[in-house]
Amino acid sequence: DIEMTQSPPSVSASVGDRVTITCRASQSVTKWLAWYQQKPGKAPKLLIYTTSNLLRGVPGRFSGTGSGTEFTLTIINLQPEDVATYYCLQTHLFPLTFGGGTKVEIK
Amino acid sequence: EVQLLESGGGLVQPGGSLRLSCVGSGFTFSNYAMSWVRQAPGKGLEWIASLSGRNEKIYYADSVKGRFSISRDNPNNTLFLDMGSLRGDDTATYYCAQDFAFLATVPSYFDKWGPGTLVTVSA
Repeated sequence: DIEMTQSPPSVSASVGDRVTITCRASQSVTKWLAWYQQKPGKAPKLLIYTTSNLLRGVPGRFSGTGSGTEFTLTIINLQPEDVATYYCLQTHLFPLTFGGGTKVEIK
Repeated sequence: EVQLLESGGGLVQPGGSLRLSCVGSGFTFSNYAMSWVRQAPGKGLEWIASLSGRNEKIYYADSVKGRFSISRDNPNNTLFLDMGSLRGDDTATYYCAQDFAFLATVPSYFDKWGPGTLVTVSA
């Protein structure tokens, strides 16, 4: 199975800051990586698919980069509504596997 | 608007069985693969099963293989998860999710999600 390791587990930043979350795969997932946002008590929401494609309606302050085994989700100009836990998901091989999550909070 | 709604969760004893349902609306149900993803209380997300739109392909996580069965009733826009030999570590909120890709036989990203249904396995 492909293990997805996210870092950091949590991050606290100020409104307007830039936040970077990293997801590392135990083997190459080529470009088949997505990012999800989950707010407390809610279902996850797909933000980015195939590494860098923003879903329609997702604010442009979110972006994704990477390939192979290392990927990043960047949030620029952090907003209060971005408080959530973010997960990466690899869809290169079954079983599909998620990262452990990164909790983003506002200072 | 795509909507998914799970039902069937509840309290079940270890070793017991339960059937979850997920009704979809706002899209042509048979054109999309569907999946189940679960989340234990306070924990991360775990994919557990996927089924292509016309039942061509089924995939299971090792943690549920042989105990859980995914199926669908396309005329009634319903996805099922039959769960057996339930254990304490199956306690979780179970989400159904619509695949991102139209007519994909191999499930990919989970696009639209239901609100989830809580399954608690306890004596």
